[in-house]
Amino acid sequence: EVQLVESGGGLVQPGGSLKLSCAASGFTFSGSAVHWVRQPSGKGLEWVGRIRSKANTYATAYAASVKGRFTISRDDSKNTVFLQMNSLKTEDTAVYYCTRSTGDGSQSPFDYWGQGTLVTVSS
Amino acid sequence: QSALTQPPSVSEAPGQRVTISCTGNTSNIGAGYDVHWYQQLPGTAPKLLIYGNNNRPSAVPDRFSGSKSGTSGSLAITGLQAEDEADYYCQSYDSSLSDWVFGGGTKLTVL
Repeated sequence: EVQLVESGGGLVQPGGSLKLSCAASGFTFSGSAVHWVRQPSGKGLEWVGRIRSKANTYATAYAASVKGRFTISRDDSKNTVFLQMNSLKTEDTAVYYCTRSTGDGSQSPFDYWGQGTLVTVSS
Repeated sequence: QSALTQPPSVSEAPGQRVTISCTGNTSNIGAGYDVHWYQQLPGTAPKLLIYGNNNRPSAVPDRFSGSKSGTSGSLAITGLQAEDEADYYCQSYDSSLSDWVFGGGTKLTVL
């Protein structure tokens, strides 16, 4: 069974940092691209960023709203993807989901999602 | 403002048919990128409902179908059931933004 489990969410002050983890199981993790998607309370889904597989040089991509502040990395030996969030703003408050794409390309849908972890940025 | 436009809400009676539109432009859907649809039940993570414009994962009932034409995609649900009450999101890729993009979501109410 495919599973994605996020952790690391919590309350952080504006300007602070937080690192989320996404632990995967049930599929060939090293060959998969993984995306992060966030959802503010009561609002829609927003794509945050992506990391490709080793075969694709672990290439990353980010939404303009987080570029330069967020960094995605992965440890294939632990089947885990990370989202390092720095210089956090109140508008980053959201539930953060990790999700697997069926392939490495731009056309690939997101077929499995984690349960999400809540990040609250507030003083 | 989302790159893909969906109606905020739709409603229909049980047993009826409803459609949800997803309007993009020539940088995303109109550029040939696939449209995917996700269902989000209250308090849960999104679930892949339709992929590649008109394909259903094996566990999704055939009451759900998708289509694409020009710069728009569409989700149709027939034989509406109370359990279909959820938020529905379309998604594609935008080449001018170099981003994966979502519609703003449509809340389906089964009357």
